[in-house]
Amino acid sequence: AQSVSQHNHHVILSEAASLELGCNYSYGGTVNLFWYVQYPGQHLQLLLKYFSGDPLVKGIKGFEAEFIKSKFSFNLRKPSVQWSDTAEYFCAVSQSDKLIFGTGTRLQVFP
Amino acid sequence: DTAVSQTPKYLVTQMGNDKSIKCEQNLGHDTMYWYKQDSKKFLKIMFSYNNKELIINETVPNRFSPKSPDKAHLNLHINSLELGDSAVYFCASSPPAAGARTDTQYFGPGTRLTVL
Repeated sequence: AQSVSQHNHHVILSEAASLELGCNYSYGGTVNLFWYVQYPGQHLQLLLKYFSGDPLVKGIKGFEAEFIKSKFSFNLRKPSVQWSDTAEYFCAVSQSDKLIFGTGTRLQVFP
Repeated sequence: DTAVSQTPKYLVTQMGNDKSIKCEQNLGHDTMYWYKQDSKKFLKIMFSYNNKELIINETVPNRFSPKSPDKAHLNLHINSLELGDSAVYFCASSPPAAGARTDTQYFGPGTRLTVL
């Protein structure tokens, strides 16, 4: 069965610092990959997704992610974080009819 | 316009009670889901319905019973509530799968259930 690992459980950054959150999945076949963000007290919102094509995917709010098939990875990046990026970030991988979520990474950005 | 809505937003109840959470989507999607998010923020799928038919039923106690009166609604009824049922429950919907793999899921605002 598919599993998703997010190794960074809690990340603390200052504003303007660069961000990279790791995501690795276990299944080696064709997958759809997602990053979702959950701001405090809110529902999950899609940041970006990869289905096929260019492995470097641009999302909303300046986020991007790179799919590296050989490493089973889909890491999330942002060159300069803002205080408003403080949130929980979830990587997810499709498995037939459902999404398998990672355990999430809590990002705290301090001014 | 709210795409995926859930009611109630908060639900506080005693152990042993029966409660329901309602979910509606106006996106025209065929597939709807229920997820449970525990206190550590871990999200796990519970059920999935496609056009009113049950597609996924993860290892969820049979005290939980989803009901889909039409493809725009997926309600969750919980019998004999237990302390461990306290969590945030999210409803979601998605368009038809892309290449047999699920497409983007759109989430509702969540229902925070507290069992005392």
